Amino acid sequence: GAVVSQHPSRVICKSGTSVKIECRSLDFQATTMFWYRQFPKKSLMLMATSNEGSKATYEQGVEKDKFLINHASLTLSTLTVTSAHPEDSSFYICSAQDQETQYFGPGTRLLVL
Amino acid sequence: AQSVTQLGSHVSVSEGALVLLRCNYSSSVPPYLFWYVQYPNQGLQLLLKYTTGATLVKGINGFEAEFKKSETSFHLTKPSAHMSDAAEYFCAVSEGSSASKIIFGSGTRLSIRP
Repeated sequence: GAVVSQHPSRVICKSGTSVKIECRSLDFQATTMFWYRQFPKKSLMLMATSNEGSKATYEQGVEKDKFLINHASLTLSTLTVTSAHPEDSSFYICSAQDQETQYFGPGTRLLVL
Repeated sequence: AQSVTQLGSHVSVSEGALVLLRCNYSSSVPPYLFWYVQYPNQGLQLLLKYTTGATLVKGINGFEAEFKKSETSFHLTKPSAHMSDAAEYFCAVSEGSSASKIIFGSGTRLSIRP
């Protein structure tokens, strides 16, 4: 089946720094990728839809200047959390669309101290 | 707007017993419906999906779900629970077209008693 990877799997950073998370589709090309955020014991909240070669579409309430998304190729999308704060600590999950199915990455746990 | 309601945030069954996880959806267009499983500190794995056609959908690990339009439901079942089934289960809906965003339910944690 289709495989999606994320890197890093876990990251700890200091408040005020920026963190980049990569999402790759390993064996298929994905024109669309999605970024989700999951709080402890909560469901996934869609943050943005990322289309290759164009600007991401952000969900209501998500700050596009804080969560920068780049989808430069058909197999790679990146999420950069800028000027991270402790409240940004969360589990970030990406997915890549293959025709009608979204395949999810293993997630990245971000801890901001 | 689409939405998903999962009844019961926590379900506990004995090993070997029937598993039933409930999901109701709301959609203004014919929906695509999904069940995902998440193990601790991991991403989501697709169990099964309904797009069109046969309303009884069989998935991996012995799970199946039935799309009932009249009841707007998509309940997940498994005849006999295994200890390895303990996980978080998410029901989800999308509008069906390609690159549609998925709306997730709040999740149901399934526990299996020995």
